[in-house]
Amino acid sequence: KQEVTQIPAALSVPEGENLVLNCSFTDSAIYNLQWFRQDPGKGLTSLLLIQSSQREQTSGRLNASLDKSSGRSTLYIAASQPGDSATYLCAVPPNTGNQFYFGTGTSLTVIP
Amino acid sequence: DTAVSQTPKYLVTQMGNDKSIKCEQNLGHDTMYWYKQDSKKFLKIMFSYNNKELIINETVPNRFSPKSPDKAHLNLHINSLELGDSAVYFCASSQTRAGELFFGEGSRLTVL
Repeated sequence: KQEVTQIPAALSVPEGENLVLNCSFTDSAIYNLQWFRQDPGKGLTSLLLIQSSQREQTSGRLNASLDKSSGRSTLYIAASQPGDSATYLCAVPPNTGNQFYFGTGTSLTVIP
Repeated sequence: DTAVSQTPKYLVTQMGNDKSIKCEQNLGHDTMYWYKQDSKKFLKIMFSYNNKELIINETVPNRFSPKSPDKAHLNLHINSLELGDSAVYFCASSQTRAGELFFGEGSRLTVL
């Protein structure tokens, strides 16, 4: 059974810093990996989707990398802003069945 | 236009009542889901519905039933509400079983 973990559980940084969020998965046979952000009281917003054949995906100040062999993905946020404060989750789809596997999330606070 | 929309956003009701939450997606996706997010923010799949194939996760009580009038809608009906049903319920959709997931804003259910 796939297990997805995210470290750290919480992170607090001053505005302007570059930061890295980590996501690990136990079964490397994945179709893709998706990063989301969730603001308090809101739904999950898709940030980036990396296909299994890709190593990186970029959107603005966000860069996600994928290393299937080591079971890891990182989300790099450049020049962090207070508006980046949210919970970030990673998820991988199922190989069978309907259960997407979600990490437990990293709660990010960017201090002005 | 909101891609995945669900109503109501907030629902407060008494134990024993029956309630429904509606979900609509305008993305043309083939698969829709219902997730439950508990107080610890953990996301748990309840149902998925794809081309009239319903997959019900075994831990979901049979008081919960999904209803799909067409491909763009997947409603959640809950009978005999219990205190433990209080949570945020998210609707989501994807083009395929392993495709990019898009979430609605969530429906916060409070059972008194």
